Amino acid sequence: NAGVTQTPKFQVLKTGQSMTLQCAQDMNHEYMSWYRQDPGMGLRLIHYSVGAGITDQGEVPNGYNVSRSTTEDFPLRLLSAAPSQTSVYFCASSYSQSETYRGRKGYTFGSGTRLTVV
Amino acid sequence: EDQVTQSPEALRLQEGESSSLNCSYTVSGLRGLFWYRQDPGKGPEFLFTLYSAGEEKEKERLKATLTKKESFLHITAPKPEDSATYLCAVRWSGGSYIPTFGRGTSLIVHP
Repeated sequence: NAGVTQTPKFQVLKTGQSMTLQCAQDMNHEYMSWYRQDPGMGLRLIHYSVGAGITDQGEVPNGYNVSRSTTEDFPLRLLSAAPSQTSVYFCASSYSQSETYRGRKGYTFGSGTRLTVV
Repeated sequence: EDQVTQSPEALRLQEGESSSLNCSYTVSGLRGLFWYRQDPGKGPEFLFTLYSAGEEKEKERLKATLTKKESFLHITAPKPEDSATYLCAVRWSGGSYIPTFGRGTSLIVHP
């Protein structure tokens, strides 16, 4: 089925370890983004990309890196994990910012990665 | 101060008991207000987009409306399967056209 695929679904890291959260979509969406969701905080934007080779920071980018070498993939890298990065991470995509503006389908979200840093 | 505020934080209803969820925003230059549904352990699922005051959208038991500074998600005769967290997001001209999400309303419908 077409959609946004995130891996892994669960991960436990030790403080200081690094890892990459994977996100892939097969809908030829130009726009991709990463959010974190914490209890009582709602969804907060980490990084986003409007197309291959183009990325930008969101509201809470510190401690995270991204790259977009293909249209399909948008991995999120944690450089040196900290307990404050314990959260649920969601990847979201849409055709383009303008398509979202015309309200076709809003964002398509993945099922999330639950990360615990101990 | 939050730019997007949802109320109540949590709502418990009996099956068939209609109610409304609220999403208010302080930003200017609205370029879209979005409603999403999120089930436990899953990502948000898009429901509606509203653009201008007076606009309404409907889907099954859900009806979304928009005024100048707030939106309501009306739930008519809810069923237990409507239990979920409902998220509101606002996109405006001063925010790089990237939606800002509210904290959500957790809805539980008892049979």
